[in-house]
Amino acid sequence: EPEVTQTPSHQVTQMGQEVILRCVPISNHLYFYWYRQILGQKVEFLVSFYNNEISEKSEIFDDQFSVERPDGSNFTLKIRSTKLEDSAMYFCASFAGQGPRTQYFGPGTRLLVL
Amino acid sequence: DAKTTQPPSMDCAEGRAANLPCNHSTISGNEYVYWYRQIHSQGPQYIIHGLKNNETNEMASLIITEDRKSSTLILPHATLRDTAVYYCIVRDHGSSNTGKLIFGQGTTLQVKP
Repeated sequence: EPEVTQTPSHQVTQMGQEVILRCVPISNHLYFYWYRQILGQKVEFLVSFYNNEISEKSEIFDDQFSVERPDGSNFTLKIRSTKLEDSAMYFCASFAGQGPRTQYFGPGTRLLVL
Repeated sequence: DAKTTQPPSMDCAEGRAANLPCNHSTISGNEYVYWYRQIHSQGPQYIIHGLKNNETNEMASLIITEDRKSSTLILPHATLRDTAVYYCIVRDHGSSNTGKLIFGQGTTLQVKP
């Protein structure tokens, strides 16, 4: 069964450093998403991406964040200058683009900013 | 998207049915009810969805009241691996909808031996 994959599973970085989180959505899916979950809190929407552009972003997704689909398979989230409060689980998800709005989530990347 | 209300936690004995309620009294006619779950910080997992008819798949059953103001997710024979946070989410399928999911706190289901 096709699945969303994410790398790395864990990332430790120093405050102020740039990080890139990578995702491979399900092949032929058209909509892509990033969510984050701070420890002990609920899952929060960050950004949705369709047709090579951002279709919606939350207040959390400020100028420090960017997303890119550099090729036909990868979908990345970049945090330019990490802050302590960026420590969280980051989940990528994808949706086929038609029919039920069923999103398939990856296993997540645990980001720790020191 | 309509707001949902779920109990914060529930217990269930292993092998018994787990019935998880969700209130969505402000749901509109074109909004679907979706259920996801999250097992211990893993990525959320889709379970089932429905509009007004009851639905069943290999994971669960979804019962939606006739007025659509509430629903119940049923895990017919809960196992320890069903221990998770269960999220009830209401959303429409409109073309202007980017598809983002808005997660609440959900219901933490603890399946006990």
